[in-house]
Amino acid sequence: GAVVSQHPSWVICKSGTSVKIECRSLDFQATTMFWYRQFPKQSLMLMATSNEGSKATYEQGVEKDKFLINHASLTLSTLTVTSAHPEDSSFYICSASGGPRSYNEQFFGPGTRLTVL
Amino acid sequence: AQTVTQSQPEMSVQEAETVTLSCTYDTSESDYYLFWYKQPPSRQMILVIRQEAYKQQNATENRFSVNFQKAAKSFSLKISDSQLGDAAMYFCAYKLGRGDYKLSFGAGTTVTVRA
Repeated sequence: GAVVSQHPSWVICKSGTSVKIECRSLDFQATTMFWYRQFPKQSLMLMATSNEGSKATYEQGVEKDKFLINHASLTLSTLTVTSAHPEDSSFYICSASGGPRSYNEQFFGPGTRLTVL
Repeated sequence: AQTVTQSQPEMSVQEAETVTLSCTYDTSESDYYLFWYKQPPSRQMILVIRQEAYKQQNATENRFSVNFQKAAKSFSLKISDSQLGDAAMYFCAYKLGRGDYKLSFGAGTTVTVRA
């Protein structure tokens, strides 16, 4: 399958600061990227869907001003957690799809563990 | 909205034995895809198997096979000859149609393999 990377793999930050997480599709052009949040021993919760060059579509209950998503190119999407607080501590996963290599399948990044102190 | 239900929070299986994970879903669509994903302790999501709704034949991938009952909206996963490396959380997921649509995940089933 195709390869999706995330950076950083883990990050610790102080309350009130902003954190940016990158999601890259390494060997295909991702027209659509998805951002998920996962708490321990729970399922993946979709936060938003982003399409290259357009505004992200956020799921109900997700604060778009707090979780800024940018999909500036076909290989890169970023999630910025603004003014992070301890309750934002979680595991964030991105996935990517698009083009013939990912037909009907999403390829997942390895995830980013965010800890807010 | 589509819902995916996994009613077994945890399952335990003896090494080399078989375990079946259940999944039901709710949809009014006729064109959709169903998936089983594995999430080991590393938390990397791994696609185990995929089923296209218009295909009547059940998908198989080596030791993994599904029982797809479209009328009953059931999509169970059978793991045969269980190995220690199969220990993970397994998620059933639904996707509408043939485009870049979002996945709807079930709550997950944690599989433990006993040596």
